[in-house]
Amino acid sequence: QQQVKQSPQSLIVQKGGISIINCAYENTAFDYFPWYQQFPGKGPALLIAIRPDVSEKKEGRFTISFNKSAKQFSLHIMDSQPGDSATYFCAASHSGTYKYIFGTGTRLKVLA
Amino acid sequence: DAGITQSPRHKVTETGTPVTLRCHQTENHRYMYWYRQDPGHGLRLIHYSYGVKDTDKGEVSDGYSVSRSKTEDFLLTLESATSSQTSVYFCAISDSGADTGELFFGEGSRLTVL
Repeated sequence: QQQVKQSPQSLIVQKGGISIINCAYENTAFDYFPWYQQFPGKGPALLIAIRPDVSEKKEGRFTISFNKSAKQFSLHIMDSQPGDSATYFCAASHSGTYKYIFGTGTRLKVLA
Repeated sequence: DAGITQSPRHKVTETGTPVTLRCHQTENHRYMYWYRQDPGHGLRLIHYSYGVKDTDKGEVSDGYSVSRSKTEDFLLTLESATSSQTSVYFCAISDSGADTGELFFGEGSRLTVL
């Protein structure tokens, strides 16, 4: 079954700390791995995405680390800020499909 | 922000009644999706469309039907609402397939079935 397992379910981090959210997948055909950020009362929005031909992608304070052999990828938020408090979803898809498979989400709270 | 409008934004209904949620886009994107969001389950795909009159089932399609007669509108119908369909429903659009395309989400429709 095509699943994406996400952990932890919730995370509390001090301001300035590093937030780490992990995802694991089973389907080796997946070749696109986006992360979405959702604020309360809003729809999710694309944060950053990676393809398996690279092991890391960085955009500002947000970094995706990708381990193809372990079928895992993670989101690192450096210097976490209270404004980063949101729910984060990892997702996966593969070429030729119209469908994204989402993880179950991680609720991040950054304490001021 | 992508031009996506969901209506109604909030609805309370009773078990057994039909409900239709509407998604309207002004981006002329080819792909449209309906997801439901529930605690502990994340976002689950109900149905999607890859063109006018072209639709297919997602992972939780039982009890739901969709229609897309125009590029800009994608309707989700609950034939006979049940309490298990209480959820927040999100419409999303994309101008390309899932291997390259960013999903743009609406602001959601909160449905309560009593």
